[in-house]
Amino acid sequence: LAKTTQPISMDSYEGQEVNITCSHNNIATNDYITWYQQFPSQGPRFIIQGYKTKVTNEVASLFIPADRKSSTLSLPRVSLSDTAVYYCLVGGVNTGKLIFGQGTTLQVKP
Amino acid sequence: ETGVTQTPRHLVMGMTNKKSLKCEQHLGHNAMYWYKQSAKKPLELMFVYNFKEQTENNSVPSRFSPECPNSSHLFLHLHTLQPEDSALYLCASSQGLAAPGETQYFGPGTRLLVL
Repeated sequence: LAKTTQPISMDSYEGQEVNITCSHNNIATNDYITWYQQFPSQGPRFIIQGYKTKVTNEVASLFIPADRKSSTLSLPRVSLSDTAVYYCLVGGVNTGKLIFGQGTTLQVKP
Repeated sequence: ETGVTQTPRHLVMGMTNKKSLKCEQHLGHNAMYWYKQSAKKPLELMFVYNFKEQTENNSVPSRFSPECPNSSHLFLHLHTLQPEDSALYLCASSQGLAAPGETQYFGPGTRLLVL
């Protein structure tokens, strides 16, 4: 069973790029990597998803090395509103194995 | 607004009470999920339903009883809970279970406190 590990917390300043890494040494062949953002009193919100290499959308980039044992969420030029908890999810709905990391609390300072 | 609603948003109950959590999705999805989120812990998958049929039960104690009458509604019936069951209970939905990369959409959660 894949276990995911993320840093517990990170601090950054407005305008900086933030990179959050998730380790998932036992990732299975069919597993995807998905990142979610969660604000207090809200459910997690989808940010980005990938299987391998690099994926980019309007809010973030996801870097996955060839061995897929880790992944890095990159948030360009963060703002105060990016202060939240970020979760790495490894697995797939087709297997029912949905393993969330413990979450990284990102604090963006002015 | 994600298209997934949950009621109530907050619930306080005694250990001998029976209560139910409700989830409704307005996205036309076929799969629905219950997760438990305790303080300082990762989200834990509890149950998965696809086309009203339960496909996953992650060794959840029987004091939690899910019900899925149709693809749009999901309930979690609670009885004889323990204080350690206090947590945020999240509902999610996805189009289905066929594709590994299927995206889940989460509701806002029900904050449960068991006294």
